[in-house]
Amino acid sequence: ETGVTQTPRHLVMGMTNKKSLKCEQHLGHNAMYWYKQSAKKPLELMFVYSLEERVENNSVPSRFSPECPNSSHLFLHLHTLQPEDSALYLCASSQDGATSGNTIYFGEGSWLTVV
Amino acid sequence: AQSVTQLDSQVPVFEEAPVELRCNYSSSVSVYLFWYVQYPNQGLQLLLKYLSGSTLVKGINGFEAEFNKSQTSFHLRKPSVHISDTAEYFCAVSEPGGYQKVTFGTGTKLQVIP
Repeated sequence: ETGVTQTPRHLVMGMTNKKSLKCEQHLGHNAMYWYKQSAKKPLELMFVYSLEERVENNSVPSRFSPECPNSSHLFLHLHTLQPEDSALYLCASSQDGATSGNTIYFGEGSWLTVV
Repeated sequence: AQSVTQLDSQVPVFEEAPVELRCNYSSSVSVYLFWYVQYPNQGLQLLLKYLSGSTLVKGINGFEAEFNKSQTSFHLRKPSVHISDTAEYFCAVSEPGGYQKVTFGTGTKLQVIP
């Protein structure tokens, strides 16, 4: 079983739909992340949860809504998206602590296409 | 604020030839440096990282990188590439303290030519 699993791997949705991306980590980590990967752009950090509390929200539009019910699960709820939101969404986890430098473990990503 | 620059968006190289992927960073404090690799249709995985100590860091799959503080660089090298090394490589930097916050470069696509 891989360390970080994401479902679905591919999602096509209309601009008026509501859908969710799911992420589960099996590594015992206490921090989880959502990143957006678009062509020819750096990875964009969207949300960070540490000990199940959101600690970072990089000015992400409200049409993206994260949820972290426990340290192993992370969701990204999507509603009224725009075509420019089409991208690869990567979930990741790490063992956070007083110092950084810990390795981030990524899932395989969810390809999102907004039509 | 920290930033990472990967000047080469694509690097073609023949199989068994050496390769260097360049990475430069800027930061006002000491940093941790990483190289991640992304194979087609997969997420990113760690190749190697520099936290402190020896400036030459060895990673998986025969890759190594050298931290050069004066040039603010962390270039990735491999003496002989294989077809299976075809992937996209991301340099990243984080600053010590607090929760994890990593800044990634735009990536370099390594194309190994048979």
